[in-house]
Amino acid sequence: GAGVSQSPSNKVTEKGKDVELRCDPISGHTALYWYRQSLGQGLEFLIYFQGNSAPDKSGLPSDRFSAERTGGSVSTLTIQRTQQEDSAVYLCASSLTGLAGDTQYFGPGTRLTVL
Amino acid sequence: DAKTTQPTSMDCAEGRAANLPCNHSTISGNEYVYWYRQIHSQGPQYIIHGLKNNETNEMASLIITEDRKSSTLILPHATLRDTAVYYCIVKAAGNKLTFGGGTRVLVKP
Repeated sequence: GAGVSQSPSNKVTEKGKDVELRCDPISGHTALYWYRQSLGQGLEFLIYFQGNSAPDKSGLPSDRFSAERTGGSVSTLTIQRTQQEDSAVYLCASSLTGLAGDTQYFGPGTRLTVL
Repeated sequence: DAKTTQPTSMDCAEGRAANLPCNHSTISGNEYVYWYRQIHSQGPQYIIHGLKNNETNEMASLIITEDRKSSTLILPHATLRDTAVYYCIVKAAGNKLTFGGGTRVLVKP
């Protein structure tokens, strides 16, 4: 079946502009996660959704970052007033239930470049 | 979630088994051991996970020691396409995956 999809695959923006990144999880998956990976670095957790609620937002680096999920499906990560340090690959993952033994499946990521 | 320790890098020969070790000496009873890999410029790919028992799937085998303080991922017949960074992660019900540095595996012809 279809996996996690993300769009756009690449985004180049100017410093100070807002960007929106989209994630379509695997159909039926109730849990959705956003991570980011800066060049040469490991993955950094940003936020976790269970349904449309976000019980864990602890990884959002600043109030310029926000995310929402509607209809228990698609999620959008918004970065306002982008800075050069926001340049990274933003990865989305989904899992069926979010429980301990559940598996997260990742999308291909969106590569964000802030000039 | 418990911290894991993996070798920084390792080489293996094409066609041979690759054995990737991971130490997780502070693992709790409710934490699972997960393995993912990341091939350059792609999203992480799930490989296998387990709690106590050894596990096998079409990609790999996972051997967990009886005390659960360490585990080994076995790729039975490594191919050039298995060249990637392999991450060992322990996770409880806190949901997020915490990625460490992983092991950079280079499969050589």
